[in-house]
Amino acid sequence: LAKTTQPISMDSYEGQEVNITCSHNNIATNDYITWYQQFPSQGPRFIIQGYKTKVTNEVASLFIPADRKSSTLSLPRVSLSDTAVYYCLVGDPGNTPLVFGKGTRLSVIA
Amino acid sequence: DVKVTQSSRYLVKRTGEKVFLECVQDMDHENMFWYRQDPGLGLRLIYFSYDVKMKEKGDIPEGYSVSREKKERFSLILESASTNQTSMYLCASGLSPLHFGNGTRLTVT
Repeated sequence: LAKTTQPISMDSYEGQEVNITCSHNNIATNDYITWYQQFPSQGPRFIIQGYKTKVTNEVASLFIPADRKSSTLSLPRVSLSDTAVYYCLVGDPGNTPLVFGKGTRLSVIA
Repeated sequence: DVKVTQSSRYLVKRTGEKVFLECVQDMDHENMFWYRQDPGLGLRLIYFSYDVKMKEKGDIPEGYSVSREKKERFSLILESASTNQTSMYLCASGLSPLHFGNGTRLTVT
């Protein structure tokens, strides 16, 4: 399973765009990149998944360069309610359980 | 919406007790998982199951067992609880994406 590296924590002001980058140098051909969000006292919640280029949904965008060795989760105009831990996972989602790392703790400040 | 329900939000047990953590999902998922989450360690996979009566060890199965008698229910069993099993336990179903319950915070005293 591809190992991921992401910052331990980030701070942002309300209304700013936040970009969280994840490195996954040994990503395999069949691997997808998946991001989850976890609020305190709750289980993680799926945000977005992609294989290459760009994926956008109502919550976030995911940018994946051509070499796929990294990816960036972009949260537009964050609010206080976006304060959470964000996990980047890499793996073949149809095959094996994905491995959660320690995530990035995002703190949004008013 | 997928619902994954964990039977207890908080649980306090004594050392040596047998503990059952129950998880039920309502989406007919074949795959179910048990994780534990500890500060600084993230989520670690204990056991998972791809089908009824099937189970696979995850990264940290020692001290735990599981039961999957029905598709919708996946139970985590601590045969003899110890203080180092004090943790947040999270159940999930599906695969891509995973759907999590809200967790059971277990304290073993």
